[in-house]
Amino acid sequence: AQSVTQLDSQVPVFEEAPVELRCNYSSSVSVYLFWYVQYPNQGLQLLLKYLSGSTLVKGINGFEAEFNKSQTSFHLRKPSVHISDTAEYFCAVTDWRAGGFKTIFGAGTRLFVKA
Amino acid sequence: KAGVTQTPRYLIKTRGQQVTLSCSPISGHRSVSWYQQTPGQGLQFLFEYFSETQRNKGNFPGRFSGRQFSNSRSEMNVSTLELGDSALYLCASSPRGDGNQPQHFGDGTRLSIL
Repeated sequence: AQSVTQLDSQVPVFEEAPVELRCNYSSSVSVYLFWYVQYPNQGLQLLLKYLSGSTLVKGINGFEAEFNKSQTSFHLRKPSVHISDTAEYFCAVTDWRAGGFKTIFGAGTRLFVKA
Repeated sequence: KAGVTQTPRYLIKTRGQQVTLSCSPISGHRSVSWYQQTPGQGLQFLFEYFSETQRNKGNFPGRFSGRQFSNSRSEMNVSTLELGDSALYLCASSPRGDGNQPQHFGDGTRLSIL
């Protein structure tokens, strides 16, 4: 069965420090991988996506993620965070199921950037 | 291009009532998905519509239903509301619902059941 595990529910970090938000998934078929960000009282916005090709993908706001097929991971990183990066981050996996594509979201990681 | 629009933004209902939520996708997008977001369960997939047909469904009771109109606008209905239905309901659209297309989300409807 398809599943997504975000290993940290909360990550506190100081401003200008690096951060890594971890995501592991399980699926028996090829997958597409996404990271989304949600600010308070808003919907989700796409940060970046992995479809195929280079395993290192760059997204908006200085974020990047690396797809590791052998470890079934898709960790999100940023070398230097800002206060404005405080938000909830969701890892999502899409694969083909009977009837169509289905997307499963992780439980989310709340990033809290401190001054 | 206008984003995904969900109405209303906030809704308060009592147990046993029914509610209809509306979603207008980005122009040209034909796939609309609905999600329920709660602190305990996270984001859970409700259903996906494409060209007025329900193409995929999550594990929710039959009290949760939806439909899509010819202009791709979608509505979600919940009947016989329960306290546990209190949540943020998010709608997302994409051009065709292909797996390699990211979803574009609205800001959600926050439903509170008293």
